[in-house]
Amino acid sequence: RKEVEQDPGPFNVPEGATVAFNCTYSNSASQSFFWYRQDCRKEPKLLMSVYSSGNEDGRFTAQLNRASQYISLLIRDSKLSDSATYLCVVNPRDAGGTSYGKLTFGQGTILTVHP
Amino acid sequence: ETGVTQTPRHLVMGMTNKKSLKCEQHLGHNAMYWYKQSAKKPLELMFVYSLEERVENNSVPSRFSPECPNSSHLFLHLHTLQPEDSALYLCASSQENLPETQYFGPGTRLLVL
Repeated sequence: RKEVEQDPGPFNVPEGATVAFNCTYSNSASQSFFWYRQDCRKEPKLLMSVYSSGNEDGRFTAQLNRASQYISLLIRDSKLSDSATYLCVVNPRDAGGTSYGKLTFGQGTILTVHP
Repeated sequence: ETGVTQTPRHLVMGMTNKKSLKCEQHLGHNAMYWYKQSAKKPLELMFVYSLEERVENNSVPSRFSPECPNSSHLFLHLHTLQPEDSALYLCASSQENLPETQYFGPGTRLLVL
């Protein structure tokens, strides 16, 4: 089983649509969770952290379900500029609680927003 | 803002060549990372340097050799690579006490012939 699993898509949606991405992770000791965004032929950039209580940043809402080891990202009112690959990222920790920044990335979900 | 820079941006090399990738961060961070991104595969962490000390080597073949002379610079020395090593090599940096928030450079796109 992959450590971080995402539906690769692609998701093709019209402007203004609402789209949701899901992600599951296998390491139950994981402590922190993130969504990164990677534009075509560019580097990944942090989009938002994901907290247990759920968090929102403008049109973006992230949710975490620790019991199900599941993370989601919801994008409302999609814009053309939202077209990118969305990477689910998990920071597992070892038995001693150390992570050393060992971020584990999912394969990414491709989103294309069209006019 | 060019917080993390990488050179060269593109590199073509033969299997017998020796080359080096360079990464420089201008963010005042003290942890640096090398990742490999192959087509249709997730980013793979290769090496982690924290406070100039290597703290992680993620089972990377010895034909890849990292070097971190100071907290602002990171190198990846390459020798006798294989065609399957062709990929995008990304450098990232962070504060060592905030390893989850990493800033990536633009990457070096490597082709091994």
